[in-house]
Amino acid sequence: DAKTTQPTSMDCAEGRAANLPCNHSTISGNEYVYWYRQIHSQGPQYIIHGLKNNETNEMASLIITEDRKSSTLILPHATLRDTAVYYCIVRVAPGNQFYFGTGTSLTVIP
Amino acid sequence: DGGITQSPKYLFRKEGQNVTLSCEQNLNHDAMYWYRQDPGQGLRLIYYSQIVNDFQKGDIAEGYSVSREKKESFPLTVTSAQKNPTAFYLCASSRNYTSRNAYEQYFGPGTRLTVT
Repeated sequence: DAKTTQPTSMDCAEGRAANLPCNHSTISGNEYVYWYRQIHSQGPQYIIHGLKNNETNEMASLIITEDRKSSTLILPHATLRDTAVYYCIVRVAPGNQFYFGTGTSLTVIP
Repeated sequence: DGGITQSPKYLFRKEGQNVTLSCEQNLNHDAMYWYRQDPGQGLRLIYYSQIVNDFQKGDIAEGYSVSREKKESFPLTVTSAQKNPTAFYLCASSRNYTSRNAYEQYFGPGTRLTVT
């Protein structure tokens, strides 16, 4: 039961901003949007989450549209170490279950 | 140094044998989770536990079993009934779920199980 839609892959030049889109048109009012990334053969790493407002932390910014049907993760200055699969997730109750789709494979190019 | 540990990193078993994967956390988290990941795919939830001595089936629980006797430990047993056990197994934990708060999950490094 897909809750989010993301492009399969994207490229970004090193030092430029990487903008990763996500559609979550069926999101309900109390569901948060989370972003994780997974470097090959490692456990996923939490990046950021938000409910309605835009959020920023030391890793990234999260822009959520006013109708909450889509969001964009922004890595302001992509480095080669940002090459990973990025997952956009809408948390589903009960039990804090996360539905991971196939994510976006981001390749940062030197 | 708080975190989640999974051991071993690589595990090899013969078909028909049960195998138990270890997951330990020292984050004082109430909730713990087991996911399975197959090549080129996202994570799928096997079991989760919100509190000690309680656990719930996820989307693909058949052929797996878990226990939660201690807060910090959530071992997963892959039984011989699991038809395709070869996969990358990930354990995660979080503060307990409440409807009005967002609690991120922290993941361990994973165990790659190969059954031949």
